[in-house]
Amino acid sequence: AQSVAQPEDQVNVAEGNPLTVKCTYSVSGNPYLFWYVQYPNRGLQFLLKYITGDNLVKGSYGFEAEFNKSQTSFHLKKPSALVSDSALYFCAVRDITSSASKIIFGSGTRLSIRP
Amino acid sequence: KAGVTQTPRYLIKTRGQQVTLSCSPISGHRSVSWYQQTPGQGLQFLFEYFSETQRNKGNFPGRFSGRQFSNSRSEMNVSTLELGDSALYLCASSLSGTGREETQYFGPGTRLLVL
Repeated sequence: AQSVAQPEDQVNVAEGNPLTVKCTYSVSGNPYLFWYVQYPNRGLQFLLKYITGDNLVKGSYGFEAEFNKSQTSFHLKKPSALVSDSALYFCAVRDITSSASKIIFGSGTRLSIRP
Repeated sequence: KAGVTQTPRYLIKTRGQQVTLSCSPISGHRSVSWYQQTPGQGLQFLFEYFSETQRNKGNFPGRFSGRQFSNSRSEMNVSTLELGDSALYLCASSLSGTGREETQYFGPGTRLLVL
């Protein structure tokens, strides 16, 4: 069975500092990995995804994520945080070896950027 | 290109009633998935439809059902509402859903309150 964990319910960062939102996954085969962001009273917006190739994936709004197969992690990063980055972030995984697999979402991490 | 639209945006019902929510996917997208989002349980997968057929199903009771029309629009129905059904219901569409790397695009959600 596939699963994804976001170990931190909340991450607090000062504006201008680098930020990391952690995500680890478990699948029986190879994963497709996704990051989404949710602003208040809105649906989820796609940020980036890892399918294959370069382990460092660049996405929207200056975010990037690094796929680490040995640590089964896909942490979201940004070199310099903005107050407008404050939102709820979801990591998601899909097992590519299962034809009927569905996307599983983590529990979410609330990112708070203080001015 | 218009995004995923969901109607209604807000809904108040009482226990025992039934409710129908609607989702119109992005033009050209044929796969529609439904999720329930609650503070306690996070994002839970309900079901996925493709070409008017349910292709995948989450672990929800039979009170939750859905369907997809020939134009890819989808509806989900919840019968005999319970207080615990209060949640944000999100719809997501993707091109075909057969490519497991496909990105899902989310609508703004329908917030259901059961009294």
